[in-house]
Amino acid sequence: NAGVTQTPKFRILKIGQSMTLQCTQDMNHNYMYWYRQDPGMGLKLIYYSVGAGITDKGEVPNGYNVSRSTTEDFPLRLELAAPSQTSVYFCASSYSQGTQETQYFGPGTRLLVL
Amino acid sequence: AQTVTQSQPEMSVQEAETVTLSCTYDTSESDYYLFWYKQPPSRQMILVIRQEAYKQQNATENRFSVNFQKAAKSFSLKISDSQLGDAAMYFCAYRTRPRGGSEKLVFGKGTKLTVNP
Repeated sequence: NAGVTQTPKFRILKIGQSMTLQCTQDMNHNYMYWYRQDPGMGLKLIYYSVGAGITDKGEVPNGYNVSRSTTEDFPLRLELAAPSQTSVYFCASSYSQGTQETQYFGPGTRLLVL
Repeated sequence: AQTVTQSQPEMSVQEAETVTLSCTYDTSESDYYLFWYKQPPSRQMILVIRQEAYKQQNATENRFSVNFQKAAKSFSLKISDSQLGDAAMYFCAYRTRPRGGSEKLVFGKGTKLTVNP
């Protein structure tokens, strides 16, 4: 199993451009998450999904959109990129119930907006 | 709202020695989970250890153990026999037990651990 994979690993955007960060998991987890990590800080939740077709806002959703058309994929869309969105983005997934309550993280995508 | 505080931005330890990383949290919940994650330079978040609040026994995973003091809302991580590969950022995280909702983690700001040979 590959676990949680993210693409791209690194991207430079110009202000106002848009892009989609891809996230895929092969563990059949129904819960998926997007976090951002700013320098010297912990992770903050952007959006999450409890299953295909269901998404909800986290702590810092402004400037982002998500969709969840399949169990495996949870892309994060940035519209009109701003310098404040320069960060490292992590996707994570987990089981919904029972004893498997640990979140599994992807390797991250580093985004620089200039 | 729940908060997680890591008061040590940086720590260092000699190889083979023991180091303790501190974490405190604030919550009004009685049932929750606590985690320590390791983030090496590769940036990937790796689960080190987890503790269920309803369990009195401190969790251990090989060289890693925690000191969980529920009344004091303290959750420290002890690394024994430190190895060079332990050098990383360590994040403490909190999560309430799900009640039909999602598992949203609240993270501290992290402690950078340096291991000296």
